[in-house]
Amino acid sequence: AQSVTQPDIHITVSEGASLELRCNYSYGATPYLFWYVQSPGQGLQLLLKYFSGDTLVQGIKGFEAEFKRSQSSFNLRKPSVHWSDAAEYFCAVGEKGGGADGLTFGKGTHLIIQP
Amino acid sequence: KAGVTQTPRYLIKTRGQQVTLSCSPISGHRSVSWYQQTPGQGLQFLFEYFSETQRNKGNFPGRFSGRQFSNSRSEMNVSTLELGDSALYLCASSPRLAGGPDTQYFGPGTRLTVL
Repeated sequence: AQSVTQPDIHITVSEGASLELRCNYSYGATPYLFWYVQSPGQGLQLLLKYFSGDTLVQGIKGFEAEFKRSQSSFNLRKPSVHWSDAAEYFCAVGEKGGGADGLTFGKGTHLIIQP
Repeated sequence: KAGVTQTPRYLIKTRGQQVTLSCSPISGHRSVSWYQQTPGQGLQFLFEYFSETQRNKGNFPGRFSGRQFSNSRSEMNVSTLELGDSALYLCASSPRLAGGPDTQYFGPGTRLTVL
């Protein structure tokens, strides 16, 4: 069965500093990988996705992620965070065509921005 | 295009009652998936409907059921509510392109509180 691990439950960064959120997955074949963001009381917003091709993918709000097959990782990065980036971030893995289990999500990383 | 809409946004029920949640997908999307989000278990896949048929189902008891209508709108029903059913229920729609990777877009969720 596929699984996703987000090792950091909470991360605190200063406004303007760089950010990296970690994500490791376990999946037998080539995975489809996603990062979503959730603000308090809201649904999930898609930040970016990886299906194939270039392993560095660009997303919305200045985020990017790099797929590293050898490390089974799909870490999310942003060069300079803004206070509005404070939210919960979820990494997810999906199977081709949706799969039997839908998307499998990590437990999430809560991002706190210090002024 | 309008996004995924869910109604109602908030619900309060008592144990033993039943509840029906509604989801309208993005126009043109034929697949609707449902997820339960709780602080303890995180995001868990409930089921997916495509062309009015349940395609996939997560590991939830039979009290959780759903259906999809010909216009792709979906409803989710929970019978004999338990305190542990208190959660944010998220609906996601996707185009479900044949044989290709699929991206799910989430609605704002319905917050269910069981007293």
